[in-house]
Amino acid sequence: SYVLTQPPSVSVAPGKTATITCGGHNIGSKSVHWYQQKPGQAPVLVIYFDRDRPSGIPERFSGSTSVNMATLTITRVEAGDEADYFCQVWDGSTGYRVFGGGTKLTVL
Amino acid sequence: QLHLQESGPGLVKPSETLALTCTVSGGSINSSSYYWAWVRQPPGKGLEWMASIYYSGSISYNPSLKSRITISTDTSKSQYSLKLSSVTAADTAIYFCATEGTYFDMRNWGQGTLVTVSS
Repeated sequence: SYVLTQPPSVSVAPGKTATITCGGHNIGSKSVHWYQQKPGQAPVLVIYFDRDRPSGIPERFSGSTSVNMATLTITRVEAGDEADYFCQVWDGSTGYRVFGGGTKLTVL
Repeated sequence: QLHLQESGPGLVKPSETLALTCTVSGGSINSSSYYWAWVRQPPGKGLEWMASIYYSGSISYNPSLKSRITISTDTSKSQYSLKLSSVTAADTAIYFCATEGTYFDMRNWGQGTLVTVSS
């Protein structure tokens, strides 16, 4: 089955740039989505279709992909960005949806 | 704006069947715009996709749950449901219902409901 690999944690100082990666075989050929989840809350979609932002999501959030890696970038990080972030794809060969294990973003 | 609300028992005994319902408002469960999904999250752990259903009746299940899971819709009540049989403590989790868009992105989520499996 398809596997997405994320680093368990990323730390960044306020005002700096956070980069969260999501590795998967040939992930560049799939549509990658990113979710932010704060404690006690449901996930919120922050990036869909690799790089598009839903309405209401700040421009500070961006996404990109390469052959085997997808990246979520958060510029000018704020304390309110501290959360767990999950990547997700749809595996077209099986119809299965797959989540990465999640990355805890800590704002120092 | 779609609104989703999960409902069901918060406590289920081991070996029994977990049954949850998601009530949809602000849109039609017969819409071709969405898939309807269930996602769960064990306490302190990551997200696990469980199942999805389309208005046409097309269904996809997580292979790790396929022998125990059923997803269905009730258009008359604007609801869709999840049943998970033979539950164990490992099925203790927060269960979310969510919509999937064109790219299978999960854009709308319910608040989630905690289900504990315990005798």
